[in-house]
Amino acid sequence: DSGVTQTPKHLITATGQRVTLRCSPRSGDLSVYWYQQSLDQGLQFLIHYYNGEERAKGNILERFSAQQFPDLHSELNLSSLELGDSALYFCASSVGPGSYNEQFFGPGTRLTVL
Amino acid sequence: DAKTTQPNSMESNEEEPVHLPCNHSTISGTDYIHWYRQLPSQGPEYVIHGLTSNVNNRMASLAIAEDRKSSTLILHRATLRDAAVYYCILRDYRRNSGAGSYQLTFGKGTKLSVIP
Repeated sequence: DSGVTQTPKHLITATGQRVTLRCSPRSGDLSVYWYQQSLDQGLQFLIHYYNGEERAKGNILERFSAQQFPDLHSELNLSSLELGDSALYFCASSVGPGSYNEQFFGPGTRLTVL
Repeated sequence: DAKTTQPNSMESNEEEPVHLPCNHSTISGTDYIHWYRQLPSQGPEYVIHGLTSNVNNRMASLAIAEDRKSSTLILHRATLRDAAVYYCILRDYRRNSGAGSYQLTFGKGTKLSVIP
């Protein structure tokens, strides 16, 4: 158990819908990262927040957005869902923003878009 | 981030040592070498990281070539639980202050199978 929690574990929805994925980092960690893992693209970085501020964006679609709240939990919002958005979404946390900080990954949310 | 090259897959017998290679010929002097692994149906898990010297922890050892253009992750006694995809990742430690990209860039990794 990494100490990072993600809810829900599974999500099934229809095209065009909007969903919210939630992540609670390990106690004391200020950084939250979101990653998407699909069969054809592998693990891809989406976005990084540090202490409530957006720090970096990766291959995140405009239909997706995220935020980190004052209590440091984070939410990833996915809207106008398409079949291709079906994937595993992982959240990771680390103590600081530094590249040498170990990242702790949650168990993931499996999103299925029908 | 600089690119790494790993074999697609490797096999090992249970309770034998495993050496997982990684080539990173374009590594810069400020790149850390990180290893993560992903067990089936789980999120990635940190294994070890190093800069220049060889490193040991409870999970594994990391042997870094003198010219730093390659490294080897060593699992001293493979168990069935070590069957996973192992990712070798370079991280530039200069990106530690101010705004910047701190994400992990995952390649395809090496799928390790452990034979009982």
